[in-house]
Amino acid sequence: AQKVTQAQTEISVVEKEDVTLDCVYETRDTTYYLFWYKQPPSGELVFLIRRNSFDEQNEISGRYSWNFQKSTSSFNFTITASQVVDSAVYFCALSEPPTSAGNKLTFGGGTRVLVKP
Amino acid sequence: GAGVSQSPSNKVTEKGKDVELRCDPISGHTALYWYRQSLGQGLEFLIYFQGNSAPDKSGLPSDRFSAERTGGSVSTLTIQRTQQEDSAVYLCASSWTSGRGNEQFFGPGTRLTVL
Repeated sequence: AQKVTQAQTEISVVEKEDVTLDCVYETRDTTYYLFWYKQPPSGELVFLIRRNSFDEQNEISGRYSWNFQKSTSSFNFTITASQVVDSAVYFCALSEPPTSAGNKLTFGGGTRVLVKP
Repeated sequence: GAGVSQSPSNKVTEKGKDVELRCDPISGHTALYWYRQSLGQGLEFLIYFQGNSAPDKSGLPSDRFSAERTGGSVSTLTIQRTQQEDSAVYLCASSWTSGRGNEQFFGPGTRLTVL
């Protein structure tokens, strides 16, 4: 069965510091997608980034970047120059090939990020 | 365009009562998912619809839980004889299809409190 682990439960930083969120996953499939979602205090999960298992190229999108390493089953996420508005809970999620459960997501436990001014 | 909407936003009920939670997906999205978010269990998958059919109901925690989707659009999650352990935030998500990698768009959730 698939599993996603976010070892960090809470991270507190001062504005403008970089924040790196760890994510480790387990799956027996060779084809899968990984996601990061953000849940601000309002409660709605917001999609941030997606990476498929065939593409280990790391990218940067604005202040967000990610480091996908298949060899260690890790999909870490970095926020550069954090801002107070980045304060939220961040979830890493794993999606496997569609099954009778569709494209269901398996989520990690989440990491709460608090950015102080 | 409009996002996923859910109603009610908050529901307080007494143990043993039935509740209905509603989800309006993004127009045109064929796949619809229900998840539950609770302190003890985190975010867990409940059920998935492709069109009006739910191929797999094994994610539902007990037979007190049921869900339906009509017209390929609105979905209702029903919990009968609610228990205190049902207290959680129930999230609905939709995506264009159930194809691999399709991002899911989430609604704001319904916070259910069972007294």
